[in-house]
Amino acid sequence: GESVGLHLPTLSVQEGDNSIINCAYSNSASDYFIWYKQESGKGPQFIIDIRSNMDKRQGQRVTVLLNKTVKHLSLQIAATQPGDSAVYFCAERIGNFNKFYFGSGTKLNVKP
Amino acid sequence: KAGVTQTPRYLIKTRGQQVTLSCSPISGHRSVSWYQQTPGQGLQFLFEYFSETQRNKGNFPGRFSGRQFSNSRSEMNVSTLELGDSALYLCASTPGGGAQETQYFGPGTRLLVL
Repeated sequence: GESVGLHLPTLSVQEGDNSIINCAYSNSASDYFIWYKQESGKGPQFIIDIRSNMDKRQGQRVTVLLNKTVKHLSLQIAATQPGDSAVYFCAERIGNFNKFYFGSGTKLNVKP
Repeated sequence: KAGVTQTPRYLIKTRGQQVTLSCSPISGHRSVSWYQQTPGQGLQFLFEYFSETQRNKGNFPGRFSGRQFSNSRSEMNVSTLELGDSALYLCASTPGGGAQETQYFGPGTRLLVL
């Protein structure tokens, strides 16, 4: 079946450094991807999305890159801050409507 | 606009009981999706409702069911609870038009089955 997996379960970075969180997806039919941030005790919070007809999309301090050739998605966070510490999930949508498959998550630890 | 709200936030039940969770989507959103989040399985899609009809379904047993009302509020029900049903249940809403829409999550209901 479809699967969305993350390469690293835990990522530790120094405050001020850039962070890169990776995600592999398996379904070439996936047409829409979202990155979420989840803090302890809260629901996932939307960070940024990208459609399959794009390679890159930038937000405030975040950039998502999509490589459809190798079915890989990454989230780059610039100048990582302590408030960025959380678990990050990628999600892919397959087909129409709103059925998303989520990766297992990467925990980002930002060291002061 | 107010965000997605879920009630109750916490719930403790015993095996064999049944439970109903509620979700109110963002105003104007017509699609509500439900997910189960556990440490072992991560976030798993349960089902999606749009205009009071189930539009998508995940791979969960029939003990898990849901419905949606005309005001787009949704409920999910789990019957004959098992210990493994302990999880954070999340709902998410989108406008529902079927295009590539951002899905916004509520805070979740944490269910503990004893």
